[in-house]
Order: sequence, then structure tokens, then C-alpha cells
Amino acid sequence: NAGVTQTPKFRVLKTGQSMTLLCAQDMNHEYMYWYRQDPGMGLRLIHYSVGEGTTAKGEVPDGYNVSRLKKQNFLLGLESAAPSQTSVYFCASSYTHSNQPQHFGDGTRLSIL
Amino acid sequence: GENVEQHPSTLSVQEGDSAVIKCTYSDSASNYFPWYKQELGKGPQLIIDIRSNVGEKKDQRIAVTLNKTAKHFSLHITETQPEDSAVYFCAASGGNTPLVFGKGTRLSVIA
Repeated sequence: NAGVTQTPKFRVLKTGQSMTLLCAQDMNHEYMYWYRQDPGMGLRLIHYSVGEGTTAKGEVPDGYNVSRLKKQNFLLGLESAAPSQTSVYFCASSYTHSNQPQHFGDGTRLSIL
Repeated sequence: GENVEQHPSTLSVQEGDSAVIKCTYSDSASNYFPWYKQELGKGPQLIIDIRSNVGEKKDQRIAVTLNKTAKHFSLHITETQPEDSAVYFCAASGGNTPLVFGKGTRLSVIA
């Protein structure tokens, strides 16, 4: 039982390049989330999904897109990377928004040069 | 929407002493309050949570208290050990809204 797995763990991009971060969960959770973590800013929600085929914007969605084609996978895309998107990205999943804990992956460290 | 404030941002304690981290929230509809511990290079891990129908919950050296009237909740760690050193996050949510996290507290336990 792997829980939440994020791929890749590290990546360096040049400004303007695109990439996709993959999150996979094996707990049959309906809800999935993408966060970014920056020093002193805590965890900020980028996008989330309440089920297969659904997505919704979080607190900081600009510059990112997401897709949830399969229940177990949640993809985060950067179409044209900018230095301001240098961050550590965490994926999480849960049964519901409230009254149930979120389970986190170990993050993807992304640097945009 | 919900706003969660967390204090202090850094906390240093001697091994064996207690540590207290406090959070306030703004949305009276919030009813779920988890605490997460994040070790270096890892994702946050749930350590304890409390729901709005309970005022206090304990799990060995960790306890959480909730005051719904004042809209604040606190994490208490007793008999601190070096392995308690980490970043701790509080969070709050209610109904159909995602968790909102505090900005975190870096706890250092000095041996």
C-alpha cells in the first residue's frame, strides 16, 4: 500500500518550458488536491478535485491546469513555466473535505531558471 | 472564506519541556481541525485531529484543545524529545470547503 505517490521528485526547468506533475493514490479516495509550499507561506491550495472528471480552483490557480481522468490520478500541468513557480509541490487525497484527514505525498521540488 | 492564523512561527524548547502551538480560525461553520507534522524532505503527516463536538483529545504525549466560542484551537506536546523537532501545521475546514492551513510552526527541541 503506497498511499500517495508523486512523480518526479525533482525537476529543473527553463522559463517557458512546460511539464506535468503526476500524483497517484491507491486508497480509493474521491478527493485529491495540489498544493504549493513556499518558505513562510505554508501550504496553499492550487486546484482540487472532488471526483473523477471534476476539477476546481483553489487559492492560487493562475498558471496551472489540472486533470482527473482516472479516480486514482491527478495531474498538475505548467504550460509556460515562470521563475515564480519555483516551489515544492504536494499532492494529497482524502475521502471528503472535512472530518477526514488528507494523506500527502512526499512532494516534487521544482526549480524554474 | 476561512482564514487560519498560527503562532508562533518558531519555537525552541528544552528536551523534556512542553510545547504549545496556537491557531485561530475565522469561519464559525468550520468543524474539523487536524494537525500535521512535517519532517525535512517529507510531506505533512497527520498527528491528531479534533472535531467540533469535542473540546479536547489526547494521544500519548500529544493533546489538542478546541474553544469554539473563541474560535481557537491549540496543540500541546508534553515531555518533548529531539524527534519532535519538525514543522507543525494546523488546519480547519467545514462542510464542503477544503482545508485551510496555517503558515506553520518550526519546533526545535534542544537536547
